[in-house]
Amino acid sequence: DAKTTQPPSMDCAEGRAANLPCNHSTISGNEYVYWYRQIHSQGPQYIIHGLKNNETNEMASLIITEDRKSSTLILPHATLRDTAVYYCIVRVGVNNQGGKLIFGQGTELSVKP
Amino acid sequence: KAGVTQTPRYLIKTRGQQVTLSCSPISGHRSVSWYQQTPGQGLQFLFEYFSETQRNKGNFPGRFSGRQFSNSRSEMNVSTLELGDSALYLCASSKDSEQFFGPGTRLTVL
Repeated sequence: DAKTTQPPSMDCAEGRAANLPCNHSTISGNEYVYWYRQIHSQGPQYIIHGLKNNETNEMASLIITEDRKSSTLILPHATLRDTAVYYCIVRVGVNNQGGKLIFGQGTELSVKP
Repeated sequence: KAGVTQTPRYLIKTRGQQVTLSCSPISGHRSVSWYQQTPGQGLQFLFEYFSETQRNKGNFPGRFSGRQFSNSRSEMNVSTLELGDSALYLCASSKDSEQFFGPGTRLTVL
């Protein structure tokens, strides 16, 4: 079973920040939080990951709470192309290579004009 | 750099047949994972191969099998197909911390 809980759907206005929450209260100390998204009928796309510090890349920012029991993915300026299902995943792996991803149901983000 | 490729992209089979799907990882990636995606069950992990050895396995029956070759290319096989095996089968390769997914093979079992 997935170790994360996400709202099933969210709406966001184009140009505004999209804040996608995720709960992972049973995360272990050596488990990372990963975010992927899947645009309809395509393979999932990696967005960002982190262990305990906040992370930022060209796509998004990841804010992890100090107790690591929850996190928020932030898309700073959402566009229509960001409409997708967003998956928050707690990573099980060996030396952070490969490993298996346990997907939950994700959050369906709709960006509206 | 070329991404993960999967062949074929679409496939139609009938119940009882078997099928082989192929995945070519990104050059230099040694880990290949397979996933099944259905509307009812979502994305489910099938198995992972690393250096020609199965390293992780999901909770699927023995009809689902896979292998990896010395060039890291991977195949998965499903025998005695059932209607419920209709799904999008996704392959992902990784070198370090990210998994890169292919476009998937859409299998329809009639």
